[in-house]
Amino acid sequence: EDQVTQSPEALRLQEGESSSLNCSYTVSGLRGLFWYRQDPGKGPEFLFTLYSAGEEKEKERLKATLTKKESFLHITAPKPEDSATYLCAGYKAAGNKLTFGGGTRVLVKP
Amino acid sequence: GAGVSQSPRYKVAKRGQDVALRCDPISGHVSLFWYQQALGQGPEFLTYFQNEAQLDKSGLPSDRFFAERPEGSVSTLKIQRTQQEDSAVYLCASSLYSSINQPQHFGDGTRLSIL
Repeated sequence: EDQVTQSPEALRLQEGESSSLNCSYTVSGLRGLFWYRQDPGKGPEFLFTLYSAGEEKEKERLKATLTKKESFLHITAPKPEDSATYLCAGYKAAGNKLTFGGGTRVLVKP
Repeated sequence: GAGVSQSPRYKVAKRGQDVALRCDPISGHVSLFWYQQALGQGPEFLTYFQNEAQLDKSGLPSDRFFAERPEGSVSTLKIQRTQQEDSAVYLCASSLYSSINQPQHFGDGTRLSIL
């Protein structure tokens, strides 16, 4: 059974305190790994797609990396506006559907 | 519009009532997806359309759930004889076509509460 697990469930950071979020996956036929950001009351907003182990993508203070079994989202010197739930999802070509993890709720305090 | 639009944003229904949730995808997007998101959880796949064809409905939890996209644009998710466990946020997403190179763009969802 396809499974995506995110840790920690919640993360409280001081502004400027860098940290990493983990996404481990067992998805048969995985073609890629997506990261989304979700604000309260909103739908998920696309951040990155990672296709193969060793790949890295960056956007502002966020950097996503991928290995054969897990992905990391690094938040460098976060600001309060980075507070959100971060979701990762495995994509398999069969069915074109995303299998999401439970998310990591990040709170950045000024 | 510029993004995926869902209506209503909030829906309250009594147990046993039927509800219909609407999704307007991004114009020109071929693929459309429905997800269910329970409080504090990640979205879970329900069903997928390519144009008007429903290619995967493996995630629909019971035969009380029915989705359609008759003209290949607007989609409706219908839930018959609602139960309390149906309370969740229902998210719609669309993509230009079905490929890993085309990320799914999500609407803000319909929050359904069953009393």
